[in-house]
Amino acid sequence: GESVGLHLPTLSVQEGDNSIINCAYSNSASDYFIWYKQESGKGPQFIIDIRSNMDKRQGQRVTVLLNKTVKHLSLQIAATQPGDSAVYFCAENMYSGGGADGLTFGKGTHLIIQP
Amino acid sequence: KAGVTQTPRYLIKTRGQQVTLSCSPISGHRSVSWYQQTPGQGLQFLFEYFSETQRNKGNFPGRFSGRQFSNSRSEMNVSTLELGDSALYLCASSLDLISQGTEAFFGQGTRLTVV
Repeated sequence: GESVGLHLPTLSVQEGDNSIINCAYSNSASDYFIWYKQESGKGPQFIIDIRSNMDKRQGQRVTVLLNKTVKHLSLQIAATQPGDSAVYFCAENMYSGGGADGLTFGKGTHLIIQP
Repeated sequence: KAGVTQTPRYLIKTRGQQVTLSCSPISGHRSVSWYQQTPGQGLQFLFEYFSETQRNKGNFPGRFSGRQFSNSRSEMNVSTLELGDSALYLCASSLDLISQGTEAFFGQGTRLTVV
């Protein structure tokens, strides 16, 4: 079946630098995408989402970019802080018209912030 | 307001036994989804319940089942446990179906170990 994947399992950045986490998806029917952050011992935490009718959305220190042509999703984190250290997952939801299909998650990227 | 509550947090069971996990969603949320998280397979969708009805099911065997009560609380059951069922089971609640683009809030999960 189709799935969402991530390009890198681990990303190490210096504190204060910007981070970019990438995600590739294969399901062209997906219309809703979400980024989650999961810290050790906790459940995933919603960061930001984007619908397929948009190509960019900004939040507080985070920006999600969606390129439907190449089926690519990215999460940009500005001025990374130690608290940003976590595993980041992209997820897609496909609404098939017949009902909800649940979220399909990528494998995750472990973001490490170097002091 | 209180977040998503999952009980128990940790569980150890023997192969062949069955287990029931519980999830209390955020007050007012009508959708509850369940996910299995393992190091090898990542986060995988199990099922989503809305207004006491299962709206969709992931690619898991029939040993995995669930239900939702009138107060939106949900339980999932795994029968005839196998070693491979060892995982973190996560519950997520949302106001509406996730396919409608509503934010999903995750609980901390139940860590199930099958020995």
